[in-house]
Parts: sequence; structure tokens; C-alpha cells
Amino acid sequence: DQQVKQNSPSLSVQEGRISILNCDYTNSMFDYFLWYKKYPAEGPTFLISISSIKDKNEDGRFTVFLNKSAKHLSLHIVPSQPGDSAVYFCAASRAGNNRKLIWGLGTSLAVNP
Amino acid sequence: GAVVSQHPSWVICKSGTSVKIECRSLDFQATTMFWYRQFPKQSLMLMATSNEGSKATYEQGVEKDKFLINHASLTLSTLTVTSAHPEDSSFYICSAREGEGISYNEQFFGPGTRLTVL
Repeated sequence: DQQVKQNSPSLSVQEGRISILNCDYTNSMFDYFLWYKKYPAEGPTFLISISSIKDKNEDGRFTVFLNKSAKHLSLHIVPSQPGDSAVYFCAASRAGNNRKLIWGLGTSLAVNP
Repeated sequence: GAVVSQHPSWVICKSGTSVKIECRSLDFQATTMFWYRQFPKQSLMLMATSNEGSKATYEQGVEKDKFLINHASLTLSTLTVTSAHPEDSSFYICSAREGEGISYNEQFFGPGTRLTVL
């Protein structure tokens, strides 16, 4: 049972445009959500997170939006740069259970020059 | 800040031998460390969670006698793959988390260790 879903395995965007990566979840107990970026043969790099008490969090070119009623979150990257090309993972956690992260399967983003 | 290192970055060993992988938090104290495994073109699979000074909690299907985890200090956790077999070949990644503050929810990852068992 995939509790965190990233339904788009890949996304291609032109440099300078907006990249929107989507993530859906099924467990209403999740109260913290994170986005990680990963290059092949490297560990994931933390990008941005959001608590369930908020609906938006912004950090530079990265903005995460949370729609709790729809159990949906999205990561916006604007403007997109070729260096943003990587696999992006959405993860969620809830109180207790050591707050372990439940991961989506990732979306591979390609930003074309 | 929040740097996590892993050693070695890659290792090749013969079938039947044991391999130890170290995970260190370099600039913070990690009360909790996690060990993941990643197969090609797949997501991260959590193997176990270790809290400093206590036994690790293993995920369902992960053999605790095969994957020995020791979290002896607030900056070091080790994963030992015992009697390794070719099917254990994989990319192993650790992450670490501070115990307090806003960063409690965020895990910081090491660069990973590529294990190849011949």
C-alpha cells in the first residue's frame, strides 16, 4: 500500500520555466512533509519541508504548497535551471513511530537548456 | 551544517565475508539514525531505525541477524552486513536526525555506500 504517491515518474521542463512536481498521500495522520532531491549514486539532499499547520512554505526558488483537504502537496521550482535536473522524492511523517519517513517513488525532472 | 558522512563510499567483497559501513554526523548530535537500501531505479527502502544507546528497530522483512546495526554514540552508527551474498549488493544510505528543535523532523543523508558482493 503506497501511502505517498508521486504519479508522474518523469517531467521535462524548459530552462527558465516553472517546474511543478506533485505528491498525494493517503494517511491523514501525516503532519510533516518533505521534499528531497537526489542524484544517481548519491544520498538525497533535503530541499524544503512543510508542517500540516501551514499551506505554503517558500525558500528561494522552491515553494511547497499543501492542500490537506485534498491530501495533496506540490513543489514549485521557478525559474527552473539545468542543475535542477535530478530525481525528486516526496516524503511524509507522523508523530510517533520514530517519525520515520514514508517515501514516494520519485519524479525524475529534466530541465532542458 | 547538518553534514553526514559514510565510509566507505564503495566496497567490493567476496561472498561469505562481512562488511561494515560507518555513518557519522559531523556537525550535530544524531539521536536517531536510519539505514536505507536503494535498488536501481527504485525508491529508498527503510531497513532499520536506530536510537543512540538502544537496540535498532528493524522493518518487516529485514533480517536483524544479517544486518547488524550499532548506534554507539551520538555521532556514529554502523551497519554490518554479515555473511554477504551477491543479492546483498546494493546502494546503502544512512540518514541522521537531531533530537530537538525544528530540525527534528528532517533527516540528513550520507552520500551512500555501493556494496558489490562477488
